[in-house]
Amino acid sequence: GQQVMQIPQYQHVQEGEDFTTYCNSSTTLSNIQWYKQRPGGHPVFLIQLVKSGEVKKQKRLTFQFGEAKKNSSLHITATQTTDVGTYFCAGARTGGFKTIFGAGTRLFVKA
Amino acid sequence: EAGVTQFPSHSVIEKGQTVTLRCDPISGHDNLYWYRRVMGKEIKFLLHFVKESKQDESGMPNNRFLAERTGGTYSTLKVQPAELEDSGVYFCASSLRRAVGAIMNTEAFFGQGTRLTVV
Repeated sequence: GQQVMQIPQYQHVQEGEDFTTYCNSSTTLSNIQWYKQRPGGHPVFLIQLVKSGEVKKQKRLTFQFGEAKKNSSLHITATQTTDVGTYFCAGARTGGFKTIFGAGTRLFVKA
Repeated sequence: EAGVTQFPSHSVIEKGQTVTLRCDPISGHDNLYWYRRVMGKEIKFLLHFVKESKQDESGMPNNRFLAERTGGTYSTLKVQPAELEDSGVYFCASSLRRAVGAIMNTEAFFGQGTRLTVV
């Protein structure tokens, strides 16, 4: 079945350092979404990418979708303590409705 | 606009008991999903409703789990009898069934989750 793998599992950074999480799918995706879950909270939608090679930015966050539409990355520039939480990627297979989540990357930011 | 609401927020039950979780999706959202997250692991898909029909229930762990969505509005997820390994946070999410060209917009809105502890 479709799998979505996400690395790293954990990342500790000093405030101001950059952070990147990577997502890889075993199948070609129609789109990929990124969610953020704060400690004790629920996943909140950040963005969706649908085009091959697409790059989108939200302030300090940069999202990329691979040319083959099988991988994606989220990069945070100059992390802040408010960035702490778990970042999930989630992909839907072409023609499918089921969204499969990666295991998430938990980000710790030390002030 | 109200978001996805789930009830209860927490439930502690003994092994062998029955628990029913409820999810009220955003009004007008045909798609309703149940997910489970166990102790820091991935958010695992359980099943997907389109209106009142089960589109995909391949993630349901076993026949102790029963999900319903009568009338295509709210949904319930019953665990009977509960086992220790059923503990976790059960999330419900809903999304619109809307196509943008050939691409389905599947942004999902999550509820706060129900934390289930089986002791």
